[in-house]
Amino acid sequence: EDKVVQSPLSLVVHEGDTVTLNCSYEVTNFRSLLWYKQEKKAPTFLFMLTSSGIEKKSGRLSSILDKKELFSILNITATQTGDSAVYLCAVSPNTGNQFYFGTGTSLTVIP
Amino acid sequence: DGGITQSPKYLFRKEGQNVTLSCEQNLNHDAMYWYRQDPGQGLRLIYYSQIVNDFQKGDIAEGYSVSREKKESFPLTVTSAQKNPTAFYLCASKVQGAGANVLTFGAGSRLTVL
Repeated sequence: EDKVVQSPLSLVVHEGDTVTLNCSYEVTNFRSLLWYKQEKKAPTFLFMLTSSGIEKKSGRLSSILDKKELFSILNITATQTGDSAVYLCAVSPNTGNQFYFGTGTSLTVIP
Repeated sequence: DGGITQSPKYLFRKEGQNVTLSCEQNLNHDAMYWYRQDPGQGLRLIYYSQIVNDFQKGDIAEGYSVSREKKESFPLTVTSAQKNPTAFYLCASKVQGAGANVLTFGAGSRLTVL
């Protein structure tokens, strides 16, 4: 059965800290891995990763995929209170149109 | 602005009643999805549709029904057969095709059964 596991489930840090969120997966015929940020309502897209070892970066956020070890990490440097959210990881196989989501990591950044 | 509109944002229902959640998109996306989100369980797929007049069951379709009469619209009905319907429901869409694999989400509908 296809599966996506995120860790930690929740995290509380102080502003300015750096955090690393983890996503491991087991999926048949891997196509892509996606990261989303969810603040109460609609998840918003952060990154899509398809190739191993290539870092995607956007401001203070970055992500990388390891297809051999079947995991991805999402890094946030110099965290701000606006980074407080649930971060979702999803994996899409080559067959069909489904996406498999992890349970999410709840990040709280304290001033 | 292009996007996905879900309504209502909040809905209360008595046990035994059917309710319909609306999802409309103006992104010209082919595929549309309904997910259910419960605390500690992530997003679980209820139904999805790749083209008009066609849809497939997801992992937790029991007690739900959908229709896809128009490309822009994918309403979800929560029937009285759904044993535990209180949840946050998210609609999503995406373009079909090998290179387009990013879901766009609506703001969600929170259903509470009294």
